[in-house]
Amino acid sequence: QSVLTQPPSASGTPGQRVTISCSGFSSNIGSNTVNWYQQFPGTGPKLLIYSNNQRPSGVPDRFSGSKSGTSASLAISGLQSEDEADYWCASWDDGLNGRYLFGTGTRVTVL
Amino acid sequence: EVQLVESGGGLVQPGGSLTLSCAASGFTFNDYWMTWVRQSPGKGLEWVANISPDGSGTNYVDSVKGQFTISRDNAKNSLYLHMSSLRAEDTAVYYCARTRPAPKYYYGLEVWGQGTTVTVSS
Repeated sequence: QSVLTQPPSASGTPGQRVTISCSGFSSNIGSNTVNWYQQFPGTGPKLLIYSNNQRPSGVPDRFSGSKSGTSASLAISGLQSEDEADYWCASWDDGLNGRYLFGTGTRVTVL
Repeated sequence: EVQLVESGGGLVQPGGSLTLSCAASGFTFNDYWMTWVRQSPGKGLEWVANISPDGSGTNYVDSVKGQFTISRDNAKNSLYLHMSSLRAEDTAVYYCARTRPAPKYYYGLEVWGQGTTVTVSS
C-alpha cells in the first residue's frame, strides 16, 4: 500500500487528449484527496491540480483531474509542445505513521 | 513575489551532517505549514518532513526519523532541515514547499523552491 502507480510514459500529438492514471489503495487515494504536479527538467515541481479536480489560479483549463475509488486521472486536452514534462500524482497515506505519498511519475512526450 | 529559496546543499562524507535552509519571501510565513521533499538523481519525489505554522508540530517519513530534524524561525522567515548520519541514499535534490493549513495536504504543495543538491560521498 506504499506506492501510487503511474505509467512511466505517455505521448500524443499536438491537439490530442492525453490521460495519465494514478492507481493507489484504500489507505491513500481511497480515503484522501489527490494532487497533481508538473515538473520540467532542472526545476521544482508546480502544483497543477489540488483536491482531485481543482485548478490553482493560472493553470489552463485544458488540465483536469478526476478520482474514482482508489484511482485518479489527469487529463490534458489540446496537448501543446510546452506540456512535455514529468507529471506526479500525490495523496496522503493513512498508513502506520502517515505520510504524503507521491506517484511513480509519468513522462509526457509531445510527438 | 512569493518565493522560496533553498541553500546549504553540498558534498558531505558518509556519516556527516548538513543543515539546509529555505528563505521565504512575499507571503506571511507563519500562516503556512512547510514541507521538505527530496528527489534522488533520476528518480521520484519523496516527502521527507513537515512542520506546523508555529513550529509545535512536526512529522517525518519513517526512513529519516531520528536522523533529520525540521525546524523554522518565523522571525527570520526561514525553514531548516538538519540532517545527520548521512548515507549515500540521502543523495538528492531537496526542495522546500508551502501548503495552506488543512488536513492531509488538501490544497497541495502550492509553492516550491528551486531545490538544493546534497551529495553524500567519500
